[in-house]
Amino acid sequence: KAGVTQTPRYLIKTRGQQVTLSCSPISGHRSVSWYQQTPGQGLQFLFEYFSETQRNKGNFPGRFSGRQFSNSRSEMNVSTLELGDSALYLCASSLLYTNEQFFGPGTRLTVL
Amino acid sequence: AQTVTQSQPEMSVQEAETVTLSCTYDTSESDYYLFWYKQPPSRQMILVIRQEAYKQQNATENRFSVNFQKAAKSFSLKISDSQLGDAAMYFCAYRNNNAGNMLTFGGGTRLMVKP
Repeated sequence: KAGVTQTPRYLIKTRGQQVTLSCSPISGHRSVSWYQQTPGQGLQFLFEYFSETQRNKGNFPGRFSGRQFSNSRSEMNVSTLELGDSALYLCASSLLYTNEQFFGPGTRLTVL
Repeated sequence: AQTVTQSQPEMSVQEAETVTLSCTYDTSESDYYLFWYKQPPSRQMILVIRQEAYKQQNATENRFSVNFQKAAKSFSLKISDSQLGDAAMYFCAYRNNNAGNMLTFGGGTRLMVKP
């Protein structure tokens, strides 16, 4: 079974731009969660989607948004990029309320 | 709000020896899971071991075991017979079973394994 895939793996943007990251979960997994990982703040939960509905949202500004499609693939969008948005963005998929989330390799976003 | 604290930013262990990584958490919930995740330099996070709060018996997975002290809100990870491949960042994580799949992570412990 293929693992969680994230595209692109690396991205460089400039301040003020917007970016869209994509996550394809493991086949059959309908829950997709997003996390931001930075050296200063560590791993922080962004949001979780299940069946195209946002179930949980972390404490991030409205510039961070996401969505999930009917095939469970998910995208997250960051608008008006700031230098502090530079981070590794991790996606994780799971069956709903199971005990294990499977993480993707992440997208490394650099904002210049 | 739930918090997870890992007080050891870095740990070092000799190959074949045993090392224990510490984790404490704070929650008012009774139904939750605790996890240890490993993030090697390649960055792909993988689950090492999990513990359900209702279970008193400590979880074990081969060379990995936990010491779960519910009253003290402590959840340490013991790695026996350490191997070079164990070198990685280790994250302790908490999940409230009434809040979907949201994980709250600790700050991580970097484990170095000396040959």
